[in-house]
Amino acid sequence: DAKTTQPPSMDCAEGRAANLPCNHSTISGNEYVYWYRQIHSQGPQYIIHGLKNNETNEMASLIITEDRKSSTLILPHATLRDTAVYYCIVRVLQGAQKLVFGQGTRLTINP
Amino acid sequence: DVKVTQSSRYLVKRTGEKVFLECVQDMDHENMFWYRQDPGLGLRLIYFSYDVKMKEKGDIPEGYSVSREKKERFSLILESASTNQTSMYLCASTLEGGYGYTFGSGTRLTVV
Repeated sequence: DAKTTQPPSMDCAEGRAANLPCNHSTISGNEYVYWYRQIHSQGPQYIIHGLKNNETNEMASLIITEDRKSSTLILPHATLRDTAVYYCIVRVLQGAQKLVFGQGTRLTINP
Repeated sequence: DVKVTQSSRYLVKRTGEKVFLECVQDMDHENMFWYRQDPGLGLRLIYFSYDVKMKEKGDIPEGYSVSREKKERFSLILESASTNQTSMYLCASTLEGGYGYTFGSGTRLTVV
């Protein structure tokens, strides 16, 4: 699986959009970009995934650059409950494959 | 919503005890996983299973075993608990194809 690079921490004001970047310059053509988050003392929670098109669901939007070497997770109206560690993972969509979690970005939403 | 339920939220065991951590999922997922999470080391895969009675070692299987007798249940066994197995243990499941892993809430195990 391709390696990802994320900033270790970010801050965002409540009600503003939180934009979390991820670099995955060695991504291959069949690897998807996944985002998970982990709120303190809970298991990781799936947010969204995509291959090359931008994706949106009820939780977030995922913007993937045309060359697929980077992506941005957007939380459109951040709330205090969005304070968590956010993980960007790239992997193939195949069977019983483990998720390889990096260190992620610790996002703090400030009132 | 898929639910992955871990039997205990907190557990305290003595060194040398045999410890069972249970995980049950309710959405007929083929694949189930056990991870442990430690500060500074992130999540590390212990074992996974892609079918009943099938198991595969992950990155750190030493000191652990697993059992999957039914599709919905995946048990992690610490044969003889040691203090270096004090950790947060997380169970996860996913469909064939790997869409959206679902994690349980975790079991924080302390071995004294």
